[in-house]
Amino acid sequence: DAGITQSPRHKVTETGTPVTLRCHQTENHRYMYWYRQDPGHGLRLIHYSYGVKDTDKGEVSDGYSVSRSKTEDFLLTLESATSSQTSVYFCAINGDPNTEAFFGQGTRLTVV
Amino acid sequence: RKEVEQDPGPFNVPEGATVAFNCTYSNSASQSFFWYRQDCRKEPKLLMSVYSSGNEDGRFTAQLNRASQYISLLIRDSKLSDSATYLCVVNLGSNYKLTFGKGTLLTVNP
Repeated sequence: DAGITQSPRHKVTETGTPVTLRCHQTENHRYMYWYRQDPGHGLRLIHYSYGVKDTDKGEVSDGYSVSRSKTEDFLLTLESATSSQTSVYFCAINGDPNTEAFFGQGTRLTVV
Repeated sequence: RKEVEQDPGPFNVPEGATVAFNCTYSNSASQSFFWYRQDCRKEPKLLMSVYSSGNEDGRFTAQLNRASQYISLLIRDSKLSDSATYLCVVNLGSNYKLTFGKGTLLTVNP
């Protein structure tokens, strides 16, 4: 299995609090992605990174920010969590955008 | 037209059946295509890449039709263990992004 881990795996937080999810990889892959998965919507891209300090928005980026200060870590921050951000969050990596992406095990976030 | 569209199913088939999934994509410049499998409450995992010439891996066959902009997945001799959600994935050619279909739920019954 690809070396990719997400933390935390589960989190319950209150509306209005900041939350940071971490994705860590040991594959030295250039590309990293954050997706959210919701019933009826499938996997939707939040943000992605194509190198250290190089990031861009996906289709559902509002309310989220990211940072990538080193190759192995990609952080997703919810500045002020809302109930609509209750979801399962997946991080993915690949060495080339035209190749297979490997996924982390996911983070289940509940905002109450 | 949605960027990547799949029949959501669900598909309920008996063991041993043959089942086919189709997926359409919007961008004719798309370069890479995949089928992923996702088990309940797990992460998606690559099932197979889809090549222009078509490709086969055991009971699974994937095909690409660029002219009509669709890909397909055929599963022969279905097993109980094939029960999962199958995700169509396309790199639409718009910079680094893999776009996922919503998935098709397959249940194989004894």
